[in-house]
Amino acid sequence: KAGVTQTPRYLIKTRGQQVTLSCSPISGHRSVSWYQQTPGQGLQFLFEYFSETQRNKGNFPGRFSGRQFSNSRSEMNVSTLELGDSALYLCASSSTGQFVNTEAFFGQGTRLTVV
Amino acid sequence: SQKIEQNSEALNIQEGKTATLTCNYTNYSPAYLQWYRQDPGRGPVFLLLIRENEKEKRKERLKVTFDTTLKQSLFHITASQPADSATYLCALDRNSGYSTLTFGKGTMLLVSP
Repeated sequence: KAGVTQTPRYLIKTRGQQVTLSCSPISGHRSVSWYQQTPGQGLQFLFEYFSETQRNKGNFPGRFSGRQFSNSRSEMNVSTLELGDSALYLCASSSTGQFVNTEAFFGQGTRLTVV
Repeated sequence: SQKIEQNSEALNIQEGKTATLTCNYTNYSPAYLQWYRQDPGRGPVFLLLIRENEKEKRKERLKVTFDTTLKQSLFHITASQPADSATYLCALDRNSGYSTLTFGKGTMLLVSP
């Protein structure tokens, strides 16, 4: 079974630009969560999608948005990039998003550098 | 405010010893707690899940305890090996109504030969 695939692995963008990151979950998984990881803040939850609906959102500005398609693939978009958006962006998939019974499977992440 | 605290200082131990990592939380009432391992530049990998009605869980050389009174989980690696060197993260329910994982910042474990 293929794992969670995130593309691209690395990105360099300029301040003010926008970026779109992609995540393909494990086949059959309907829940996709996105996290931002920085050395100072650790893993911070961005949002979670289940069957194309956003069920939960973290405390991030509106510049961060996402969506999920009918095949469960998900994208996240960051507009008007700031230097502080430089981070490792991780996507996690699970069958139900009910973590009392199951685990999260993470992708390798996308390393975004804003210059 | 809600907090999950893991020791920010790296834990250095010798090969063969038992490593014990701590996860403390405040203002949460999690139904479960999970532990993950993360290697540099890679995504976290699930290790163990323990539910609120379980005191202890084991898997090979790993053991997790969960004390809901103390609001603490301990993660043990027995007979540690250099290959166990990594950052270990605890994660629990965000109390959002839907299960959403909230992570501690992790503790780096360094096992020397």
